[in-house]
Amino acid sequence: GAGVSQTPSNKVTEKGKYVELRCDPISGHTALYWYRQSLGQGPEFLIYFQGTGAADDSGLPNDRFFAVRPEGSVSTLKIQRTERGDSAVYLCASSPRTAVRAFFGQGTRLTVV
Amino acid sequence: GQQLNQSPQSMFIQEGEDVSMNCTSSSIFNTWLWYKQDPGEGPVLLIALYKAGELTSNGRLTAQFGITRKDSFLNISASIPSDVGIYFCAGSYQGGSEKLVFGKGTKLTVNP
Repeated sequence: GAGVSQTPSNKVTEKGKYVELRCDPISGHTALYWYRQSLGQGPEFLIYFQGTGAADDSGLPNDRFFAVRPEGSVSTLKIQRTERGDSAVYLCASSPRTAVRAFFGQGTRLTVV
Repeated sequence: GQQLNQSPQSMFIQEGEDVSMNCTSSSIFNTWLWYKQDPGEGPVLLIALYKAGELTSNGRLTAQFGITRKDSFLNISASIPSDVGIYFCAGSYQGGSEKLVFGKGTKLTVNP
């Protein structure tokens, strides 16, 4: 499809495990964003990529969270030693230019049990 | 993390009624955005506002950027069942920040 694609749609993992969440942005979009949405809340900013580099990672909650975008297209959000509080929907968005014009994917629902 | 103050938290209305929701912030924003999110989907942009005092319409939707740059409202006229969903306001700070700050959302239910 032509939209932002996130895989998997759902991920259930055990506390302490490592997980990777993938985002395929819209072709040609240089800007990519990760947000986290907890139940009953609005999305919260995690990290912003411009091309291959992380231009703003101020929203990453701690050093268990890391994201990469090695070729300036697909991005992977990596969470080490998962905790139950990491359970949320992780949203990815991409834009040809700025956050205002970003398109969101459907999200990955992460459940840590 | 910081979030905007969005109200009301939920609304239950009859089809055909008008709806109004608003957002306030203690900080100045240079852009205000309004999104709609359906279950299992990501937010979809409805309206973007770029200047203080700006009033913009998109079909039955009208939104305004407050003069103080610290608030915005969204109106939906003549609601229909497909308006059901969660509406979020979001803002971006001055200085070209790419970080959007979201409100907690207004859940809208429309009774036919």
